[in-house]
Amino acid sequence: DADVTQTPRNRITKTGKRIMLECSQTKGHDRMYWYRQDPGLGLRLIYYSFDVKDINKGEISDGYSVSRQAQAKFSLSLESAIPNQTALYFCATSKGDAGANVLTFGAGSRLTVL
Amino acid sequence: AQSVAQPEDQVNVAEGNPLTVKCTYSVSGNPYLFWYVQYPNRGLQFLLKYITGDNLVKGSYGFEAEFNKSQTSFHLKKPSALVSDSALYFCAVRRGGKLIFGQGTTLQVKP
Repeated sequence: DADVTQTPRNRITKTGKRIMLECSQTKGHDRMYWYRQDPGLGLRLIYYSFDVKDINKGEISDGYSVSRQAQAKFSLSLESAIPNQTALYFCATSKGDAGANVLTFGAGSRLTVL
Repeated sequence: AQSVAQPEDQVNVAEGNPLTVKCTYSVSGNPYLFWYVQYPNRGLQFLLKYITGDNLVKGSYGFEAEFNKSQTSFHLKKPSALVSDSALYFCAVRRGGKLIFGQGTTLQVKP
């Protein structure tokens, strides 16, 4: 089984729908992150959480919200999806400071908003 | 703010030739710099990092990177490219305990 599991792997939805992307990890890491990947823009940080009671906005948090339900679970929600949120979304984890410790990524969730 | 830039969208190299994927950084203080690789339909994987010490850092799969403070660069290198090295490569910098990534460079190694 993967260390960092993202569900769903692919999702097509319509404008205005609410969408949740889920991430769970078996690494025992305290820190979790949501990134969005767009061609030519690289990975941009949406939200991050350093522990269960800590949630922080990243570079592009508008239109997104997150929930850290447990140390192992970190969900990303789009309350009302719009087409420019079509992208590949990655969850990542780290044990402590991501600058000192390696990030472990999930396989990604591809979201298409029509 | 700390950031990195990858000036090339794509790098093409013949198998067996040396490869270089470029990264420049903009940080205050001493940078923590990283390279990650993404193979098709996979998440990113760690290749190597520079925190302090030797300017030449060795990583996975035969890759290495050279930290150059005067040129504010952290270029990824490999002496002899393989077709299987074809992938998307990301440079990243530490900022506030998290990583900020560059735009990515697609490496295409042709047989």
